[in-house]
Amino acid sequence: NAGVTQTPKFQVLKTGQSMTLQCAQDMNHNSMYWYRQDPGMGLRLIYYSASEGTTDKGEVPNGYNVSRLNKREFSLRLESAAPSQTSVYFCASSLGGAGGNTIYFGEGSWLTVV
Amino acid sequence: AQTVTQSQPEMSVQEAETVTLSCTYDTSESDYYLFWYKQPPSRQMILVIRQEAYKQQNATENRFSVNFQKAAKSFSLKISDSQLGDAAMYFCAYRSRGSAGGTSYGKLTFGQGTILTVHP
Repeated sequence: NAGVTQTPKFQVLKTGQSMTLQCAQDMNHNSMYWYRQDPGMGLRLIYYSASEGTTDKGEVPNGYNVSRLNKREFSLRLESAAPSQTSVYFCASSLGGAGGNTIYFGEGSWLTVV
Repeated sequence: AQTVTQSQPEMSVQEAETVTLSCTYDTSESDYYLFWYKQPPSRQMILVIRQEAYKQQNATENRFSVNFQKAAKSFSLKISDSQLGDAAMYFCAYRSRGSAGGTSYGKLTFGQGTILTVHP
């Protein structure tokens, strides 16, 4: 029952450093997503991938890049980390992108940029 | 753009009692989906219940039920026989029916969340 798996769970970065958050799902889902959650707020969409080979910007894409490596994996990269990117990051997936498909979330990755 | 509002930052309930969490949303769409997610201290996002806007019948999942009022754009969550394990942050979320390439495709819009405390 792995579902959506994210690594790492915790990371501390210095301003200007780069890093990649990895995500994999084993549910044979077509669509995958990256969200961020800031204190006192709900989740906001960073990028999504409707299907293998496609990616699109979400609500807050600035400062991030993504790669849909294959159907299972969707990574999020911070090229030059900034303190404003301190957040909890969630990867998620769904069978399809249409609204009727429930989105399933990973356990989150806590990122602190100092 | 759709917005979701949860007007109760915090709620509390006695174990075994019933509590209702409120959610309102704003949309011009007629077909959409609504969700309640639970987020315990572990931060895992757990789907509690979902409602399809075209269905008039309120969704129910064991002790969890919703009161969906489409005209009023209201979607409240009722938790019956509350248990200590129900303590968590609860998020209401909206999702358009969407279509590939559309601006709302894939986007789940969340409310600010309600922290639920369960007292023994």
